[in-house]
Amino acid sequence: GAVVSQHPSRVICKSGTSVKIECRSLDFQATTMFWYRQFPKQSLMLMATSNEGSKATYEQGVEKDKFLINHASLTLSTLTVTSAHPEDSSFYICSARGGTEGETQYFGPGTRLLVL
Amino acid sequence: GQNIDQPTEMTATEGAIVQINCTYQTSGFNGLFWYQQHAGEAPTFLSYNVLDGLEEKGRFSSFLSRSKGYSYLLLKELQMKDSASYLCAVMDSNYQLIWGAGTKLIIKP
Repeated sequence: GAVVSQHPSRVICKSGTSVKIECRSLDFQATTMFWYRQFPKQSLMLMATSNEGSKATYEQGVEKDKFLINHASLTLSTLTVTSAHPEDSSFYICSARGGTEGETQYFGPGTRLLVL
Repeated sequence: GQNIDQPTEMTATEGAIVQINCTYQTSGFNGLFWYQQHAGEAPTFLSYNVLDGLEEKGRFSSFLSRSKGYSYLLLKELQMKDSASYLCAVMDSNYQLIWGAGTKLIIKP
């Protein structure tokens, strides 16, 4: 299967700071990348969908000015949590699909964010 | 509306067989996926069905009936490491994944 990496795996930051999370498809070209958030013992929640070279499409209730997404190339998407607050603490997971991998979404290992 | 239903939790015994069902109602259908998610980790891809029938991959098999809006994931020769949540997801006519809430599978020795 395809490999998707995510960095950092874990981050602790102070309230009010911004945090950038990178998602890379290592062995395929990801025309579409997805960002999810998952709170403990809850389902995956899709935050936004991004196509390479286009603006991201955000799900209802997700603030686009707070969660900035950039999908500048076919192998990299970034999520920046701006002015993070404790309630933004969560498990953020990206996934990617495209190229030779067809419609299957492959997930990165996730980033655990803790905002103090 | 779009809906994916799967049991919240199931318990099975090591070495046994378990079947996790998933029913769906979506606007269009472009395939059904099963993912495994261990606690604290990201989901990993298990299977993709777009045509009716059974797809076998080692100890895991996935079945699809489009006319019934139904799928199941069959796990054979259960191992303790199979304890995880199993997520059913359907790709709708817009190629968006609609996720089920997941089935937590508990394996007992």
